[in-house]
Amino acid sequence: AQTVTQSQPEMSVQEAETVTLSCTYDTSENNYYLFWYKQPPSRQMILVIRQEAYKQQNATENRFSVNFQKAAKSFSLKISDSQLGDTAMYFCAFSFNFGNEKLTFGTGTRLTIIP
Amino acid sequence: DAGITQSPRHKVTETGTPVTLRCHQTENHRYMYWYRQDPGHGLRLIHYSYGVKDTDKGEVSDGYSVSRSKTEDFLLTLESATSSQTSVYFCAISESTRVYGYTFGSGTRLTVV
Repeated sequence: AQTVTQSQPEMSVQEAETVTLSCTYDTSENNYYLFWYKQPPSRQMILVIRQEAYKQQNATENRFSVNFQKAAKSFSLKISDSQLGDTAMYFCAFSFNFGNEKLTFGTGTRLTIIP
Repeated sequence: DAGITQSPRHKVTETGTPVTLRCHQTENHRYMYWYRQDPGHGLRLIHYSYGVKDTDKGEVSDGYSVSRSKTEDFLLTLESATSSQTSVYFCAISESTRVYGYTFGSGTRLTVV
């Protein structure tokens, strides 16, 4: 079974700075999909960004971008110009390219943006 | 999210009692999921459904059962609640997880005393 590891339980950064959240995963498959979800204090789960493993280009959504290193099985999230509203739990998740439509999640990183 | 609702939002129950959580969707999505969220564990899959009356177990299914008699409703039942089932429970839906990921409900905080 695939596993997703987030090795940073907590992080904090000053407002306007850049922060990178780490995620590694383990799979023997060549095609798969990776996601980052944000969970603010409201508890709502929000999709931040998605990456297809067969695409070389790193995904970007406004201030959020990923560094996808397929050989290293690494999928880090970079938040630029961090804002107070970025304070949240962030979860990395993995999906196969075939068969079941399930997501496997990491344990999360609690990010605090300091004013 | 407007297309998926969970009820109740909060519940306190006693050990040994049965509990049913409800997930309702208006998106007509094929797939529905129940996860539990616990500190240090992230989100773990309890059960999921890939169609009406088609369900399967996830990684932490012991002590839980599910039913899906209609496309829009997915029920999670704790047959005899225990303190270890105190958690936040999330329902999620998808039509194509690979393309769109999940849409989540707002969660149910369940406390078993």
